[in-house]
Amino acid sequence: DGGITQSPKYLFRKEGQNVTLSCEQNLNHDAMYWYRQDPGQGLRLIYYSQIVNDFQKGDIAEGYSVSREKKESFPLTVTSAQKNPTAFYLCASSNRGHSSYNEQFFGPGTRLTVL
Amino acid sequence: LAKTTQPISMDSYEGQEVNITCSHNNIATNDYITWYQQFPSQGPRFIIQGYKTKVTNEVASLFIPADRKSSTLSLPRVSLSDTAVYYCLVGLSSGGGADGLTFGKGTHLIIQP
Repeated sequence: DGGITQSPKYLFRKEGQNVTLSCEQNLNHDAMYWYRQDPGQGLRLIYYSQIVNDFQKGDIAEGYSVSREKKESFPLTVTSAQKNPTAFYLCASSNRGHSSYNEQFFGPGTRLTVL
Repeated sequence: LAKTTQPISMDSYEGQEVNITCSHNNIATNDYITWYQQFPSQGPRFIIQGYKTKVTNEVASLFIPADRKSSTLSLPRVSLSDTAVYYCLVGLSSGGGADGLTFGKGTHLIIQP
């Protein structure tokens, strides 16, 4: 089955610790994205990557870091510099098109709670 | 980046047709209009996409007037399982930018028996 997976589903972290969220896709998509969602809010873009070894900051990149060493993987690290890290984190992937919007496929999400 | 405006919430009943309108006054010539559906604690799911006039698939229709400054998502004969948040996006996700990746707060659709 093709799809996008995120792990873990729930994650607890102590304040001041870094934590890495996993995102893997086997859809052969070039582009991958990380979003953050707070209760009752829409999705906000953290980072995105259009191709391996390249990524761009989104609207709320401060306190986060990413890497894109493989096409299939786009891990997100939430650093201790992120002041309010408790949120629902969503990873997505899509094909790269040239003239049209490409559907994003989302993973099941990781709910991060900072204790 | 085209900004969208949609109602925060809507209520309807099972079996009714529901229309959710999105305003996007500064839509660009190359922008597409895309709608997603999101259930609680899940990632959004693509519903439908269009550029102009009308698009229909197995779950919804999308109506876009000639000036493209608004669009209407139409859900026929809704059921309780259609209760979700619906997002309207305008733009492109191709090329070098992040256009079209702003989800906003969406419209919370509540279907009652």
